[in-house]
Amino acid sequence: ETGVTQSPTHLIKTRGQQVTLRCSSQSGHNTVSWYQQALGQGPQFIFQYYREEENGRGNFPPRFSGLQFPNYSSELNVNALELDDSALYLCASSVPQGIDTQYFGPGTRLTVL
Amino acid sequence: AQRVTQPEKLLSVFKGAPVELKCNYSYSGSPELFWYVQYSRQRLQLLLRHISRESIKGFTADLNKGETSFHLKKPFAQEEDSAMYYCALSQEPGANNLFFGTGTRLTVIP
Repeated sequence: ETGVTQSPTHLIKTRGQQVTLRCSSQSGHNTVSWYQQALGQGPQFIFQYYREEENGRGNFPPRFSGLQFPNYSSELNVNALELDDSALYLCASSVPQGIDTQYFGPGTRLTVL
Repeated sequence: AQRVTQPEKLLSVFKGAPVELKCNYSYSGSPELFWYVQYSRQRLQLLLRHISRESIKGFTADLNKGETSFHLKKPFAQEEDSAMYYCALSQEPGANNLFFGTGTRLTVIP
């Protein structure tokens, strides 16, 4: 069984740029959730994708967008990067509406200069 | 709106001593509560969830709806329990979008 993987591990961007982060879900999981974890804070829910459609969104602006592909992998896109977007971005995969739980990836550390 | 509060950022206990990590929540519905743990250099992982009522690694947590609390307890702390602990809430069972507290770093002193 393959766990959740994320790429890249680290990324440095400048303000105003755009970034794409990638996530491969755990085998058999068709739901992917993305979280932002700022330094010293708990993870904050960004959005969730199920069957290639957004299925719930947290309090994040539209410049945070995502995609889910037929193989259940996912991308998080952030446009017009701001300094406050610097954080660890976590991806978690799960099976919806079931007894299973979310399995987290190792995260992508984004630094915006 | 939902909110999860972990009042202690840092907690140190001696090995063999009891440990309690506090978690309070606010949500008007019937949430599902979780404890997640992150050991050094490892990814965030589920420790336990209230709905399964299990004891994992000697830890237990009871959901107290009257006090809106879900404190994590262990009678005898071990050095390997040193980690970051996050309390989290899901708005309904199976919703799978989690609202986390700010975490408590537990250090068990040998």
